[in-house]
Amino acid sequence: GAGVSQSPSNKVTEKGKDVELRCDPISGHTALYWYRQSLGQGLEFLIYFQGNSAPDKSGLPSDRFSAERTGGSVSTLTIQRTQQEDSAVYLCASSLGTAQYGWTFGSGTRLTVV
Amino acid sequence: GESVGLHLPTLSVQEGDNSIINCAYSNSASDYFIWYKQESGKGPQFIIDIRSNMDKRQGQRVTVLLNKTVKHLSLQIAATQPGDSAVYFCAENMISARQLTFGSGTQLTVLP
Repeated sequence: GAGVSQSPSNKVTEKGKDVELRCDPISGHTALYWYRQSLGQGLEFLIYFQGNSAPDKSGLPSDRFSAERTGGSVSTLTIQRTQQEDSAVYLCASSLGTAQYGWTFGSGTRLTVV
Repeated sequence: GESVGLHLPTLSVQEGDNSIINCAYSNSASDYFIWYKQESGKGPQFIIDIRSNMDKRQGQRVTVLLNKTVKHLSLQIAATQPGDSAVYFCAENMISARQLTFGSGTQLTVLP
């Protein structure tokens, strides 16, 4: 598609449930990034993919968070046993490579854990 | 209940005036910088970028200035318009890090 697409746009879940967030990057973009944005704050790096591999998982907050990417395209961020502190907007971005290219962000998934 | 969190720096300008948004970055090894604009409910949108071998770059109505000596970045918006109201983030990148590190953002409000 023309831009980075994320789904769902909003997700309300009960504490303890698992959630899956999806990102469709721009076609041909080999690099894909996940960030988290808490209310009124900046963007916190979670993980990036180059192709299907994730060389840097250092930003994942806990082992409840995991992400995968298949076919060098769609990525899924999974949060297991959600906690209230997981409530945030989860943003995905893609770029042509991990070099100095402009990144394009999706509109994010707003996750609310109740 | 009252929410707890960081309050963004704010900047209010009159429509038609110029705006200057400042950012201090943290890593002297950063070699690429980007300004993003984020409107409510949307993802960050690329505005302008600059590499560390430059100290100024101009776009349409926007100019980015880079001072590596004091690790300072600024975004100047000429003739600010109501549509410029948003949160503005600076981001820094090192090739070796392969990720962008974002500042905390500045809320720009354009007054009629």
